[in-house]
Amino acid sequence: GESVGLHLPTLSVQEGDNSIINCAYSNSASDYFIWYKQESGKGPQFIIDIRSNMDKRQGQRVTVLLNKTVKHLSLQIAATQPGDSAVYFCAEMNDMRFGAGTRLTVKP
Amino acid sequence: GAGVSQSPSNKVTEKGKDVELRCDPISGHTALYWYRQSLGQGLEFLIYFQGNSAPDKSGLPSDRFSAERTGGSVSTLTIQRTQQEDSAVYLCASSALGGLAVGKQFFGPGTRLTVL
Repeated sequence: GESVGLHLPTLSVQEGDNSIINCAYSNSASDYFIWYKQESGKGPQFIIDIRSNMDKRQGQRVTVLLNKTVKHLSLQIAATQPGDSAVYFCAEMNDMRFGAGTRLTVKP
Repeated sequence: GAGVSQSPSNKVTEKGKDVELRCDPISGHTALYWYRQSLGQGLEFLIYFQGNSAPDKSGLPSDRFSAERTGGSVSTLTIQRTQQEDSAVYLCASSALGGLAVGKQFFGPGTRLTVL
């Protein structure tokens, strides 16, 4: 069946390094994706979105890349900071499917 | 208010009891969504409201779950005869634009439900 998932459940990086979090999807008709950040005890927070007519979208310190050929989505965080520590998950909004998330830990 | 609010923040109940969870969306947001988040799992879509109507109820797990929205604002999610497997964090989100694939969703802090 269709699925949205993540390659890695945990990611640990050094402060200042760049982080890359990956997501795979299987519905080739999907055309709208969102990345969320969820800190412990809080609701998910919108980070960035991308539509299928784009391959790349940049925000403040974050970049989302969409590869429709291999149905892969990634979130890049530049100069990762301790405040970036959280669970990050992707969402395929056409079918309202959400990945379980990757826990990012930033070591000072 | 400034954001989506949910109440209660925590609810502990006994198996078989009914519970009611409340969501106050951002003022003016027409779309409202309910999700369930179990430990270590992704968000599970439950139901979506456009105004007061629910065009998509496909995610409700069973007929013990129901939701309503009145005045295009506050929504309540009711779980009847709660079971232990209902234990989860229930999240509400709202967005200014309607539809499932349009517009950013702003989430509330969630209600943590524990069924003993």
